[in-house]
Amino acid sequence: EIVLTQSPGNVSLSPGERATLSCRASQSVTANNVAWYQQKPGQAPRLLIYAASNRATGIPDRFSGSGSGTDFTLTISRLEPEDFAVFYCQQYGSSPTFGRGTKVEVK
Amino acid sequence: QLHLVQSGAEVKKPGSSVKVSCKASGGTFINYAISWVRQAPGQGLEWMGGFTPIFKTANYAQSFQGRVIMTADKSTGTAYMELTSLRSDDTAVYYCAGERSGTFDYWGQGTLVTVSP
Repeated sequence: EIVLTQSPGNVSLSPGERATLSCRASQSVTANNVAWYQQKPGQAPRLLIYAASNRATGIPDRFSGSGSGTDFTLTISRLEPEDFAVFYCQQYGSSPTFGRGTKVEVK
Repeated sequence: QLHLVQSGAEVKKPGSSVKVSCKASGGTFINYAISWVRQAPGQGLEWMGGFTPIFKTANYAQSFQGRVIMTADKSTGTAYMELTSLRSDDTAVYYCAGERSGTFDYWGQGTLVTVSP
C-alpha cells in the first residue's frame, strides 16, 4: 500500500496569500496518478486536480497541481474566502489511498 | 454529470450489518465504477472498495476484505454497500463516489452510520 504524507497538517493564511501544500508518497506513483480534493465542513469532498496537474471541470485557475514520482504539490495562488477548507491528496496508481489532509484556515 | 443520492442515517448494534444505497441519476450509470469512501468523526478519508456495474466486479481494500459486499442494480442505477460484523470504530460517514479512471469525480451526500450498544 502506498502511504501518502501531507504537510503541513495545518496552515494559517490570509485571503490573497499563496498556499503551498505538499504530498509525499512512500513509493513512486504510477503515471503520476495523483488527485487533490477539497472538503468543507459537512460536505462531501470535491475533485480539484487529477493526474497531478490537470484541473477538474469548473475548478478556478488559481488552483494548480505539480509534481512527479513521489513528490506532489497543490498551489492556490491567491486564497479566496471560499477556499479555506481541508485538502486531501489521493493516489490511484495502485489500490487507492488518501493522505491525512492539510487544513487551510483563516489567519 | 452524475448525481448520487444516498440512503439515510443508520444506528446499528455491534455485531450487526448495515446496507447503504446510492442512487445515480443524470448520467450513464454503467460508464462509472462506484467506490465507497468512509470518514470517521474528525478523521480523514478511507477508500473501502469499488464496484464496476458493467463488469459486475468488485475490488475491496484489504482492510475490509471478508466484511464488505458491494453490488449494483443496473436496472435502477443503484449501488449498494453492505458492511458486516459492525464495531464501534465503524462509526463514520460513508460516501459513494462515481469513479472514472481512478479519480472520484462525483460524490453522494454521505450516510452517517453510528454503531452503538
